[in-house]
Amino acid sequence: DAKTTQPNSMESNEEEPVHLPCNHSTISGTDYIHWYRQLPSQGPEYVIHGLTSNVNNRMASLAIAEDRKSSTLILHRATLRDAAVYYCILRDDTGGFKTIFGAGTRLFVKA
Amino acid sequence: GAGVSQTPSNKVTEKGKYVELRCDPISGHTALYWYRQSLGQGPEFLIYFQGTGAADDSGLPNDRFFAVRPEGSVSTLKIQRTERGDSAVYLCASSLTGNSGNTIYFGEGSWLTVV
Repeated sequence: DAKTTQPNSMESNEEEPVHLPCNHSTISGTDYIHWYRQLPSQGPEYVIHGLTSNVNNRMASLAIAEDRKSSTLILHRATLRDAAVYYCILRDDTGGFKTIFGAGTRLFVKA
Repeated sequence: GAGVSQTPSNKVTEKGKYVELRCDPISGHTALYWYRQSLGQGPEFLIYFQGTGAADDSGLPNDRFFAVRPEGSVSTLKIQRTERGDSAVYLCASSLTGNSGNTIYFGEGSWLTVV
């Protein structure tokens, strides 16, 4: 399974944008890039996913590098409720069901 | 219900006992996953079902762990002869299919404590 690398933690001020990086240098052409986040004492929740093009939804934006070896999750205006662990994972059609999670990035948001 | 439902939400059991954890996936979802999460770590894959069959059980740590999904909907994770190291949050998730573009929806988890 292709693996991802994320910083252990990041800090942001409330109301400011946050850019969460993810490296996936061994990504294959059929791997989808998914982002999930996990709030304290809750199960992970879906944030966004993409294959090649940048994606936007009501929660966030996903910027995918042209070579697809890295991606960035963008929270446009961080709130205290965005404090969570953010996971960047790769899913493909052959091993997509296995979906391996790393340790993720713990985001701290300061008021 | 609208989401993935897991019961019990909390379970305390004695070492050596048998435990069952239940998962009700989102209606119509054919893919079902079990994960285990220890404190401070990401979810660890255990097993994946496509329909009634276990398509990949390579994450089950040993033969004390077993999971079933007899009718392709509800799933039960079974742990025999529990050990203190089995204490963790057990997460169930489902997706419409196993296709890599599908979103995975997680339940709130079952917190298992073995004393």
